[in-house]
Amino acid sequence: DQQVKQNSPSLSVQEGRISILNCDYTNSMFDYFLWYKKYPAEGPTFLISISSIKDKNEDGRFTVFLNKSAKHLSLHIVPSQPGDSAVYFCAAGPRGGTASKLTFGTGTRLQVTL
Amino acid sequence: DTGVSQDPRHKITKRGQNVTFRCDPISEHNRLYWYRQTLGQGPEFLTYFQNEAQLEKSRLLSDRFSAERPKGSFSTLEIQRTEQGDSAMYLCASSSGRETNEKLFFGSGTQLSVL
Repeated sequence: DQQVKQNSPSLSVQEGRISILNCDYTNSMFDYFLWYKKYPAEGPTFLISISSIKDKNEDGRFTVFLNKSAKHLSLHIVPSQPGDSAVYFCAAGPRGGTASKLTFGTGTRLQVTL
Repeated sequence: DTGVSQDPRHKITKRGQNVTFRCDPISEHNRLYWYRQTLGQGPEFLTYFQNEAQLEKSRLLSDRFSAERPKGSFSTLEIQRTEQGDSAMYLCASSSGRETNEKLFFGSGTQLSVL
């Protein structure tokens, strides 16, 4: 049972446009959410997080939106750059839990074209 | 470089052989995690340490797997009698353990291929 779903395995966006990556979850106990970026042959790198008390968190070109009623979060990248081409994983965990309780999605491969 | 380092980067072995991987976490981090990632999947939790104590093990961690962190610094993950199904990327991550919502710093992983 996939509790965190990233239904789009891949996404192609033109440089300068907005990239929107989506993530759905089913477990209502999930309380905080993270996005990681992964380049080939490297480990995942933390990008941005949000807790359930917020519906938006912004860091530079990256914004994460959380819709708790829909159990849906999205990552917006504006403007997209070629260096953003990577696999993006969303992850979710319960309040106060250790990272052992994190559940990762299967990832979305973003390709930013010139 | 003060990030998480893993060694080796790649390991090819024959079925039935034992393999050992090493992870050096960020020096001030007291939590160390091991994850496994297969193609098309996200990382899956295997086990974690708080200092030298192994506090949790996933049901994914069969009896053939053992992990240690003897002095609370580096950690090793050993797989005995490897099987083809063990082929995966093995990721190590560390954290300070001081955040309410824990943030992991991953190493580059060890890619294991069992022939």
